[in-house]
Amino acid sequence: NAGVMQNPRHLVRRRGQEARLRCSPMKGHSHVYWYRQLPEEGLKFMVYLQKENIIDESGMPKERFSAEFPKEGPSILRIQQVVRGDSAAYFCASSPTGQGYYEQYFGPGTRLTVT
Amino acid sequence: QQQVKQSPQSLIVQKGGISIINCAYENTAFDYFPWYQQFPGKGPALLIAIRPDVSEKKEGRFTISFNKSAKQFSLHIMDSQPGDSATYFCAAGSGTYKYIFGTGTRLKVLA
Repeated sequence: NAGVMQNPRHLVRRRGQEARLRCSPMKGHSHVYWYRQLPEEGLKFMVYLQKENIIDESGMPKERFSAEFPKEGPSILRIQQVVRGDSAAYFCASSPTGQGYYEQYFGPGTRLTVT
Repeated sequence: QQQVKQSPQSLIVQKGGISIINCAYENTAFDYFPWYQQFPGKGPALLIAIRPDVSEKKEGRFTISFNKSAKQFSLHIMDSQPGDSATYFCAAGSGTYKYIFGTGTRLKVLA
């Protein structure tokens, strides 16, 4: 029973390039969450998606960041024109439902380094 | 009001000792309190969680104590082992999807 999968695990981008991070939720899970973790800090909520819908993107920076979860395929977190401050670990989590009590299961993360 | 304050920032415990990590919250709407364990280079893994209708939950060597009136909850690791050395995060949710995470406690258990 595969867990949440993320790729790539490590990503190096130069300033101004685009970064694409992928997340495949656990089997049977249709809700995906993205979090960002800066060094020595806790995780900060970015966005919550269901298939083909963005439910809450209140934690996303207003510019350069976008997320999608298409009907087929993984969820994608896209960062355009990356800057050094975007260097962080990005974690995806999934759950079977977004209602009521539930548990979020995290993937191994993508560590983005912007040079 | 959305913060979860976690302490201590780091903790060193002898093998066999008890590790205690504390968290405090302000938002009374929070009603789900999970703890996550994270090893270097890995994603957080759910360890144990509690809801405010109980004051304590125990799973193996891990216990959550919950004080609703004080808006505090804590993780106790009994008989701590070197393999428990990791970073521990508390979190709070309100039955919705946004977890608010504490800043983490780096635990080191000495052999």
